[in-house]
Amino acid sequence: DAGVIQSPRHEVTEMGQEVTLRCKPISGHNSLFWYRQTMMRGLELLIYFNNNVPIDDSGMPEDRFSAKMPNASFSTLKIQPSEPRDSAVYFCASSAPGQGVYGYTFGSGTRLTVV
Amino acid sequence: RKEVEQDPGPFNVPEGATVAFNCTYSNSASQSFFWYRQDCRKEPKLLMSVYSSGNEDGRFTAQLNRASQYISLLIRDSKLSDSATYLCVVNPRGTGRRALTFGSGTRLQVQP
Repeated sequence: DAGVIQSPRHEVTEMGQEVTLRCKPISGHNSLFWYRQTMMRGLELLIYFNNNVPIDDSGMPEDRFSAKMPNASFSTLKIQPSEPRDSAVYFCASSAPGQGVYGYTFGSGTRLTVV
Repeated sequence: RKEVEQDPGPFNVPEGATVAFNCTYSNSASQSFFWYRQDCRKEPKLLMSVYSSGNEDGRFTAQLNRASQYISLLIRDSKLSDSATYLCVVNPRGTGRRALTFGSGTRLQVQP
C-alpha cells in the first residue's frame, strides 16, 4: 500500500504566481480531504470530496483557491494568485467507503512558502 | 468558541512518568472521536479511536465523557519516543459537515 501520495513535498514561489498541489489517494478510498496547517490556526479543513464530487468547500479561504477531483485517483488544489499568507503545510487525506468513522490516512504534505 | 479545544502545552515530563491530556468539544451531536499523533514536520497519524466505554492500547488509555463533552488520553510509563504533538479529533456530525475537526494539539516532550 503506497499510502496517500502528495507532490511536490516542498514548494517555494513568488507572490502572484500560480501554485498547484497534487494528491493521489489510496486506491479504493472514495473520500478525499484537503487540510491546511499553520502554527496560528492548526489543521483546517479546506474542502472534501466524496466519490469525486465536492461536498463541503466552506473552508476554502477565497476565490483564489480552487480544487478539482477529475477521477478517483487524483486531485489538485490550486492557488492563483498566491500570497505570503498562503504559506502553510497542505495535507491531503483519504478514507475508505463507510470507514470515515475510523479516521483518515494523511499524505506527507506539501510545505508551501510564498515569498 | 473553537469546536475542539486542547491545552497547547508543552508538557515536559521525565521518562517513566504518567501524563494526561484533556480535550473538550462543542458539538454535542458529535459521534466519533480520535487521538492522532503528529511528529515534528510529519503528517498526523491515527493513534487510537475513543469509545464511550473507554479503551486501552498498551500504555495508552482513552476516555470519553459525553455528558461533559470531554475526551482524555492517558500515557503511562512514557518513553522518549512518545515526544510528539497529540491532536484531539472529532467527527462533528449534525452540523452538516462530515469531515473530521482537529484540535490545535498538545505538545509532549519526554525527557531522559
